[in-house]
Amino acid sequence: AQKVTQAQTEISVVEKEDVTLDCVYETRDTTYYLFWYKQPPSGELVFLIRRNSFDEQNEISGRYSWNFQKSTSSFNFTITASQVVDSAVYFCAGDSSASKIIFGSGTRLSIRP
Amino acid sequence: GAGVSQSPRYKVAKRGQDVALRCDPISGHVSLFWYQQALGQGPEFLTYFQNEAQLDKSGLPSDRFFAERPEGSVSTLKIQRTQQEDSAVYLCASSLDPLTGSSYNEQFFGPGTRLTVL
Repeated sequence: AQKVTQAQTEISVVEKEDVTLDCVYETRDTTYYLFWYKQPPSGELVFLIRRNSFDEQNEISGRYSWNFQKSTSSFNFTITASQVVDSAVYFCAGDSSASKIIFGSGTRLSIRP
Repeated sequence: GAGVSQSPRYKVAKRGQDVALRCDPISGHVSLFWYQQALGQGPEFLTYFQNEAQLDKSGLPSDRFFAERPEGSVSTLKIQRTQQEDSAVYLCASSLDPLTGSSYNEQFFGPGTRLTVL
């Protein structure tokens, strides 16, 4: 069985601050994919990043960066220099089977001007 | 190109009514997924099709829920005798091909259908 835990229910920061969203993905599978999705108030799920279980390199893409540590099952996501438009619900998710994505319960991020 | 489309975008049903939700995947996408997202929760998997074959329906909450994809493109999620607990956003996603080798194909999500059962 897979389990995605997002312990932070809500986060509020002031614009331009950096913010890190935490995620723990638990599975018995050795091969899996991890994702972060963004869901703005409009409701549509927007794909942000994907990482496979074999690659533990930290990466940066623009203002986004992510840190995957297999030993602790953590897949954290950081937004640098946050902007008001970053306000949304962020979902961490995992897929061990290529046939279903398991989502966490989401973290609501509010960026205050 | 067009993304995944869903219709209707909003549906209000009286308890006990049957509803049908439609999903038009991205053209050429082999796999199609349905998810249910209750208010304040993450999406939860309902069912998965590869072409017209329903390979996994383990997430369907009851036998009142039925999904089909008869020609391997458009899919319909039907809910019979709707109950208030069925109120949720129903998301459809499609992807190009099942996982082969080391590649992974993104699931592209539609805008969802918000179902309210009174």
